[in-house]
Amino acid sequence: QSVLTQPPSVSGAPGQTVTISCTGSSSNIGAAYGVNWYQQLLGTAPKLLIYGNSNRPSGVPDRLSGSKSGTSASLAITGLQAEDEADYYCQSYDSRLSGWVFGGGTKLTV
Amino acid sequence: QVQLQQWGAGLLKPSETLSLNCAMYGGSFSGFHWIWIRQTPGKGLEWIGEITHSGSTNYKSSLRSRVTISVDPSKNQFSLKLRSVTDADTAIYYCTRNSAADYYFSGMDVWGQGTTVTVSS
Repeated sequence: QSVLTQPPSVSGAPGQTVTISCTGSSSNIGAAYGVNWYQQLLGTAPKLLIYGNSNRPSGVPDRLSGSKSGTSASLAITGLQAEDEADYYCQSYDSRLSGWVFGGGTKLTV
Repeated sequence: QVQLQQWGAGLLKPSETLSLNCAMYGGSFSGFHWIWIRQTPGKGLEWIGEITHSGSTNYKSSLRSRVTISVDPSKNQFSLKLRSVTDADTAIYYCTRNSAADYYFSGMDVWGQGTTVTVSS
């Protein structure tokens, strides 16, 4: 049971928009810690997609965006492409656990 | 660009000690927290602990009694030891980093390639 809750799977057709939710609590997302998002392709290490709730590292397309409100955060992917098919994880810091926590991951099918 | 290269034994027997190393190439070793993460099908991504370049550590509470993370700044390397392993410690282990200056908001931007560790008698 992960501290942050994500839907196990989402799907969308090429060109469509999907949103992945991440729900936490007052000791993590709700405590104003940043939310980070990672993409993991099969057999590879996670890749940072969004940091500090809504910032994209260099090289990440602006089709991807992050937002946060209260104890929840979301990752939106517009203009879906086949290459977006992967697992996505949210992450934040938890003050009660004094460490980093992750969501259980969401499998995106395009 | 910055790269993390990790290595260590991939097959252990129960009660043995897991030992992994991670070396950083192409960047500054100071100014970051150096982190170990593991991934299992059942529990997903799990933060194990971290260390600064000066040696300050923070461990996941449930693993604290068995974990030691150490650092060698002269070699730009850090290491993980996990004692008394069981099959529950079977996982892919990753090393990664997080900026110290913007700790809660910077994300883990560079990752090692991962090491599959299997605990089996």
